[in-house]
This record gives sequence, C-alpha cells and structure tokens, in this order.
Amino acid sequence: GQNIDQPTEMTATEGAIVQINCTYQTSGFNGLFWYQQHAGEAPTFLSYNVLDGLEEKGRFSSFLSRSKGYSYLLLKELQMKDSASYLCAVWLDSNYQLIWGAGTKLIIKP
Amino acid sequence: DAGVIQSPRHEVTEMGQEVTLRCKPISGHDYLFWYRQTMMRGLELLIYFNNNVPIDDSGMPEDRFSAKMPNASFSTLKIQPSEPRDSAVYFCASRRGPFIGQGVDEQYFGPGTRLTVT
Repeated sequence: GQNIDQPTEMTATEGAIVQINCTYQTSGFNGLFWYQQHAGEAPTFLSYNVLDGLEEKGRFSSFLSRSKGYSYLLLKELQMKDSASYLCAVWLDSNYQLIWGAGTKLIIKP
Repeated sequence: DAGVIQSPRHEVTEMGQEVTLRCKPISGHDYLFWYRQTMMRGLELLIYFNNNVPIDDSGMPEDRFSAKMPNASFSTLKIQPSEPRDSAVYFCASRRGPFIGQGVDEQYFGPGTRLTVT
C-alpha cells in the first residue's frame, strides 16, 4: 500500500523558522510536491523535488532524501499569512496521480 | 486564463437527491482529477481522466458516484442518491501532461464545491 505521514498540527511564532516533515512509503516514486492550503480555499503549489537535496524558493525551501523516504518543508521568517495546512504529495511513477498526505495544520502566533 | 472553474460553489441538498458537480479545466490541460476532502480522510482522489478518457476510478466510493468528461472543456461528477456521509468539499484539478524536460507541471485546483447533504 501507499503511505504518507505528516504531523497533524504545528505551532510556531511569527518571525521564526519551522520545519514540516513528511515521510513516505510508496510503491513508486517520481517526485514529491508540497502544496499550501488556506482554510476554505483550494491547495496551491509550493514546490517540487525529484532529486535529493534542497530546493530554495524565497522564504520556503524543500528538501528530499529518496533513500530515506523523507522530505521537509522549511519556512523562514514566518508571517501570519503562513497559517495554513501544508500537504505533501508523492507522484507515483506508474501513472500521473498523486498520493496525498493528510496535511499539517500550521498555526502562527504573534 | 481563468483557472479551473467549478460550479456550484456551495450545494445543500437532502438525502436521496441527485447532485451534479461541474468542472471546466484550464484550456490545454490533458488531465483532469476529481478529489474529495474531509477532515477525517483528508484529500482523496476519486477519479482522473486523460484526454477525456477515465483512467483510474478506483477511488470512487461506490456505484452512487459517476463521472463523465464529454469533451476537453467540461466534466461532471454525479452522486445519485446522495447521503449525509457524502458531505465534503469536492475539488476538480487539471494539469498538462506528460511532464516534459526539466520543469514540472503541477496540478491546478479549482475553488471547490462544498456539498452538504442533510
């Protein structure tokens, strides 16, 4: 079966740094996506990793280790607008569908 | 482009009624996905189409659910008869495919339809 694990909820302080972890056990792997979803809205694309290492995009960075089945999303200089759920999704190489984690709800406090 | 368009945005219906959700994907996108999202189960893929052809419908919960894509610019998800446990947000997403070169084409989600079955 396919399994993706993320923490259910995390709390961080405005201006700080937070790391959201994602571990996966899947029958195939062709890449890993991170999406952001604000309450009541649709998920929006943040990042994509296919090779091991760190991908940096402004305040957000995403890391992948394929051998460990592990990824994390790093958010720096947290802002109140970063309060949202963060979804990790694995692209299986057998087709074009994504397997989704349950998401991590990030709460930012002043 | 207007993005993925879904209608209605909200639907409240009584148990036993038929519900039809509609989606217009982004022009030029070959893949269309229907998802359901609940607090308990998260985001679940129901079915997806490639070039209007259903590829994988293993996520469709039961025979009460059906989906069609009569052309490249329109898809429907129908629930008949609806039940309270069908209450959820239903998202439609589309993307180009296959992935080409160094870049990646992510899935673009519509705003969702919030369905409440009483």
